Amino acid sequence: KAGVTQTPRYLIKTRGQQVTLSCSPISGHRSVSWYQQTPGQGLQFLFEYFSETQRNKGNFPGRFSGRQFSNSRSEMNVSTLELGDSALYLCASSLVAGPSYNEQFFGPGTRLTVL
Amino acid sequence: SQQGEEDPQALSIQEGENATMNCSYKTSINNLQWYRQNSGRGLVHLILIRSNEREKHSGRLRVTLDTSKKSSSLLITASRAADTASYFCAGGSGSRLTFGEGTQLTVNP
Repeated sequence: KAGVTQTPRYLIKTRGQQVTLSCSPISGHRSVSWYQQTPGQGLQFLFEYFSETQRNKGNFPGRFSGRQFSNSRSEMNVSTLELGDSALYLCASSLVAGPSYNEQFFGPGTRLTVL
Repeated sequence: SQQGEEDPQALSIQEGENATMNCSYKTSINNLQWYRQNSGRGLVHLILIRSNEREKHSGRLRVTLDTSKKSSSLLITASRAADTASYFCAGGSGSRLTFGEGTQLTVNP
């Protein structure tokens, strides 16, 4: 089975712009979660989607949003980019909802740099 | 916020030696998962141990979980240079994994 794929792998934007990142989960997986990784804050949960519904959201401002499509693919959007949004954005998929019950498998990440 | 602390923050050993990393967490969890990350790349899932389990093995990996102390340890036996990476523990609860700060393991050939 193919693993979790994320596009693009690298992205450079300027402050004030918006960005959309894409994630395709492992085939058959219905849950997709997003995490942000920075040197200062480490790995932090952004949100989880299951069956096109957002189940939970982390402590991030409303500029961070996401959605999930009927084929389980997910996108996250960051509007009005700030320098502090520079990070590695990781997507994870799992078979059923929530990492409480099963493993989460991560994609290679999208490295976002905001100038 | 981080789930807890990992100890040590950095570990340097010789090939063939064993490496032990510890993780403490703060809140109740349903499971604890360990991941490896090579140099800013994606996370590779290593092992999951459920809250009602005390020990689990997978190849050269041995994980223990002590829910009374809210702690876990990861042992890598007979380490190899290819094991050089950052290792993270993550507590699974509800919709999210809450990660520790990670241990940077360096295995010298």
